[in-house]
Amino acid sequence: SQKIEQNSEALNIQEGKTATLTCNYTNYSPAYLQWYRQDPGRGPVFLLLIRENEKEKRKERLKVTFDTTLKQSLFHITASQPADSATYLCALYQGGKLIFGQGTELSVKP
Amino acid sequence: SQTIHQWPATLVQPVGSPLSLECTVEGTSNPNLYWYRQAAGRGLQLLFYSVGIGQISSEVPQNLSASRPQDRQFILSSKKLLLSDSGFYLCACIRSQGDYGYTFGSGTRLTVV
Repeated sequence: SQKIEQNSEALNIQEGKTATLTCNYTNYSPAYLQWYRQDPGRGPVFLLLIRENEKEKRKERLKVTFDTTLKQSLFHITASQPADSATYLCALYQGGKLIFGQGTELSVKP
Repeated sequence: SQTIHQWPATLVQPVGSPLSLECTVEGTSNPNLYWYRQAAGRGLQLLFYSVGIGQISSEVPQNLSASRPQDRQFILSSKKLLLSDSGFYLCACIRSQGDYGYTFGSGTRLTVV
């Protein structure tokens, strides 16, 4: 079955820099891949979906790329702010159900 | 857009006691509904999903069960809780915006002592 791997180590960056988070999957390339934000003690919030035929997608300061050859998606936050500090989860569909990576915690220091 | 209500927000229960967590959905009809559990520092594990009233699919063998008595109501239950049932329980449905994303409730933090 499909496995999703995200860097379990927290990412610490300085305000204003670009944060880059990685999501790798192991088997077949999904038709689309999603990214969520989760704050402590809260449910995840949907951010972006990227389809397999889209190389890149942008939404405000967010950019997601999808490389089906590398089986990898990258999630970028440009001009990061302390308010961007959260855990970011990637997810994809398997058998009609959404499965998630374990998430990467991002901490943006002022 | 849809909204998912979950309660209670926090629950501390002794081992062997029963459990009932409720999830209700507003803003959509006939939704697919999902129960996930998140252990501390871990990803989300899908427990159950339902495509309609009375239709429940279980993803992993466990001490829990689910029911869907009404279109927009999804209940997670246990007859006797185990320590390993502790976790953060989240209810979700597919967003109605057509982007295949999920909307999640605010979750229930369950601690079994």
